[in-house]
Amino acid sequence: GAVVSQHPSRVICKSGTSVKIECRSLDFQATTMFWYRQFPKKSLMLMATSNEGSKATYEQGVEKDKFLINHASLTLSTLTVTSAHPEDSSFYICSADPRGDTQYFGPGTRLTVL
Amino acid sequence: SQKIEQNSEALNIQEGKTATLTCNYTNYSPAYLQWYRQDPGRGPVFLLLIRENEKEKRKERLKVTFDTTLKQSLFHITASQPADSATYLCAPARNRDDKIIFGKGTRLHILP
Repeated sequence: GAVVSQHPSRVICKSGTSVKIECRSLDFQATTMFWYRQFPKKSLMLMATSNEGSKATYEQGVEKDKFLINHASLTLSTLTVTSAHPEDSSFYICSADPRGDTQYFGPGTRLTVL
Repeated sequence: SQKIEQNSEALNIQEGKTATLTCNYTNYSPAYLQWYRQDPGRGPVFLLLIRENEKEKRKERLKVTFDTTLKQSLFHITASQPADSATYLCAPARNRDDKIIFGKGTRLHILP
């Protein structure tokens, strides 16, 4: 149990376009999901906490207008990278916690902005 | 501010030996601490959770200790195998509603 999926697994886009990444909890409901970004050989950096039915909570330094988060249901959170630029190229990973103490991570989405 | 340090960026261990990874934290009093494994290009996978009132936790060849006085957790892999090669992340948390902050991780290489 506790499976988290992400879609797409890999996306390449042109600079200036917007990209949407989906995160789904497949066998449990998640009122809270987390979005992380990871640059090569660096640690996971928490970007924001996605809350079902309310606004996301963003970490310091993360632009909320740049990274739009929508948590419309108990099994789906989406992250939209708006007007993407090459510096947004990274590995984006979501996670959810079915029991309140263990994060289950999605497989990640590799974003490349040309 | 809260700080999490993992002993080294990379660690080379001979196959069959015990690998020991260290996680130190400062300005922080976590109620529990988790260890994850991450392979290149994949999301982290949960391994073990240890609570502040537990000294030690075991799972197959894995053992985790948690010393709240030293503010340190040790992660051991006994009888290490090349398949154990990965990056290992520690993640303390204060309570179930607290966001989890990850250390930078230690890249473990088990040499055949």
